[in-house]
Amino acid sequence: EDQVTQSPEALRLQEGESSSLNCSYTVSGLRGLFWYRQDPGKGPEFLFTLYSAGEEKEKERLKATLTKKESFLHITAPKPEDSATYLCAVHPFRRGGYNKLIFGAGTRLAVHP
Amino acid sequence: NAGVTQTPKFQVLKTGQSMTLQCAQDMNHNSMYWYRQDPGMGLRLIYYSASEGTTDKGEVPNGYNVSRLNKREFSLRLESAAPSQTSVYFCATKRTEQAGYEQYFGPGTRLTVT
Repeated sequence: EDQVTQSPEALRLQEGESSSLNCSYTVSGLRGLFWYRQDPGKGPEFLFTLYSAGEEKEKERLKATLTKKESFLHITAPKPEDSATYLCAVHPFRRGGYNKLIFGAGTRLAVHP
Repeated sequence: NAGVTQTPKFQVLKTGQSMTLQCAQDMNHNSMYWYRQDPGMGLRLIYYSASEGTTDKGEVPNGYNVSRLNKREFSLRLESAAPSQTSVYFCATKRTEQAGYEQYFGPGTRLTVT
């Protein structure tokens, strides 16, 4: 069964303390892996798409990487405004039928001054 | 450009009441989706519309109906609300139903059923 697991569930960092969020996935084939940021009371905001193992994408203090079984969202020298829930979603390869996006439950990140 | 808009932002219903959640997009995207988000769970797909004129069930369709009114608008109807439908509902759009494209989300509707 296709599955996406994010860890940790919650992470507290001091401002400037770099860390990584993990997204592990079990799918029969990968058509794309997506990272989203969600602020409280708002909808998910698209960050990155990764398609194949070894690929990396960067945006400001965030860098997303992809292997055959997991993706990492690295946060370098985070600031309080990086506090949010980060969601990972996987688009598995499927022959026939609807090709749905599978979401993880998210990692709640809190960055304190 | 407003992107994806949803109305209302908040709603409280009594068990058995009905209501329609509205979604509109100005991104000229073909595909539209309705999700629900519950604490500790990932977003779950309720219904989707791959293109104008088509709709299909997602993962958790029971108790809901949808209408793709035109390319821009996709509504979600609760015919007889139940407490289990208390959730945050998100509409999303995608350029095409093909895999590999990202989805863009609206701000959400927070629904409480008492």
